[in-house]
Amino acid sequence: GEQVEQRPPHLSVREGDSAFITCTYTDPNSYYFFWYKQEPGASLQLLMKVFSSTEINEGQGFTVLLNKKDKRLSLNLTAAHPGDSAAYFCAVSPSNSGTYQRFGTGTKLQVVP
Amino acid sequence: NAGVIQTPRHKVTGKGQEATLWCEPISGHSAVFWYRQTIVQGLEFLTYFRNQAPIDDSGMPKERFSAQMPNQSHSTLKIQSTQPQDSAVYLCASSLVRDISYEQYFGPGTRLTVL
Repeated sequence: GEQVEQRPPHLSVREGDSAFITCTYTDPNSYYFFWYKQEPGASLQLLMKVFSSTEINEGQGFTVLLNKKDKRLSLNLTAAHPGDSAAYFCAVSPSNSGTYQRFGTGTKLQVVP
Repeated sequence: NAGVIQTPRHKVTGKGQEATLWCEPISGHSAVFWYRQTIVQGLEFLTYFRNQAPIDDSGMPKERFSAQMPNQSHSTLKIQSTQPQDSAVYLCASSLVRDISYEQYFGPGTRLTVL
């Protein structure tokens, strides 16, 4: 079946450094793409939603890049701080008409002071 | 806005018992999704409803699992004869149907432990 692969599974960076997470997907019909943050014991918090090809989106302290040609979605946390320590998940919506999301395997990020 | 409400937050059952999990979507949201999260399998889609009608249950185990949405204000996920491998966090999410991206708002989850 269609898959979403996320790398790396674990990432440790120093405070102030960047943290880069990548997802690759196989379904060519994927249309909407999401990044979520999950703190320990908490639910999923949406960071950003993107859908245009080769799009760079900037949020608060992070950048999301979508490359539909390569079927690659990435999240770059710039100048990470300890509050960014959490699990991060990408998700792909396999339709343009509204449906469930297919999740990546997750990245556990630790930001060390 | 209280967000998506899931009850109970924690449930412990003995092997072979039944477990019913409840989800109350955000008011006005007509799409409700159920996911399961485990360390081994990650986040897996189970089933979803739109305007109370079941649309896609391709992720639901064929036996023992069932889901319903009897009215627009709640959905239930029922697991009969629970097994230890059913232990997981079950997440419910809701979205606006008119948002075609189906941006989903997740509840806090129900942690099911089967002894």
